Amino acid sequence: NAGVTQTPKFRVLKTGQSMTLLCAQDMNHEYMYWYRQDPGMGLRLIHYSVGEGTTAKGEVPDGYNVSRLKKQNFLLGLESAAPSQTSVYFCASSYSGQGTDTQYFGPGTRLTVL
Amino acid sequence: QKEVEQDPGPLSVPEGAIVSLNCTYSNSAFQYFMWYRQYSRKGPELLMYTYSSGNKEDGRFTAQVDKSSKYISLFIRDSQPSDSATYLCAMSGSTDSWGKLQFGAGTQVVVTP
Repeated sequence: NAGVTQTPKFRVLKTGQSMTLLCAQDMNHEYMYWYRQDPGMGLRLIHYSVGEGTTAKGEVPDGYNVSRLKKQNFLLGLESAAPSQTSVYFCASSYSGQGTDTQYFGPGTRLTVL
Repeated sequence: QKEVEQDPGPLSVPEGAIVSLNCTYSNSAFQYFMWYRQYSRKGPELLMYTYSSGNKEDGRFTAQVDKSSKYISLFIRDSQPSDSATYLCAMSGSTDSWGKLQFGAGTQVVVTP
């Protein structure tokens, strides 16, 4: 049982390049989330999904797209990377969306955009 | 103004001391209050959660919620060097915000031997 895994762990991009971050969970969770973490800002929700085939915008969705083609995978795409997207990206999943439900986080992807 | 305010620290304490962490918030709809622990270069992990007001104890950890003051606290007794981490408060509330958590910025805690 690996929990939540993220690929890649590190990446350096040049401005304007594109990339996709992959999140996978093996806990059969319905809900999945993408956050970014910046110093002094805490974790901010980018996009989330309430089930296979669904996506929705979070607090800071601009410049990102997501897809949830399979229940266990949640992809985050950057079509044209900007320096402001330099951050640590965390994926999380939960069984339901209830307030008492635990969100399980992956180890993060450190992205630098030059 | 952020919905959840948390002092970033760092907070440095000697081993064995009590660590006191807190967050304030502005949204009175918040009902679920959580504390996550994040070790360096790792993802956050849930430490404790509390529903509505009151206290909750789990081993050396005590979480308190005062909804009237919009203030939550986490206390760590008999702190150990292994407690050195960043502690993030998080909260959610009304029906339409369900799993969407609002996080504080996190407080870095350093426990020195």
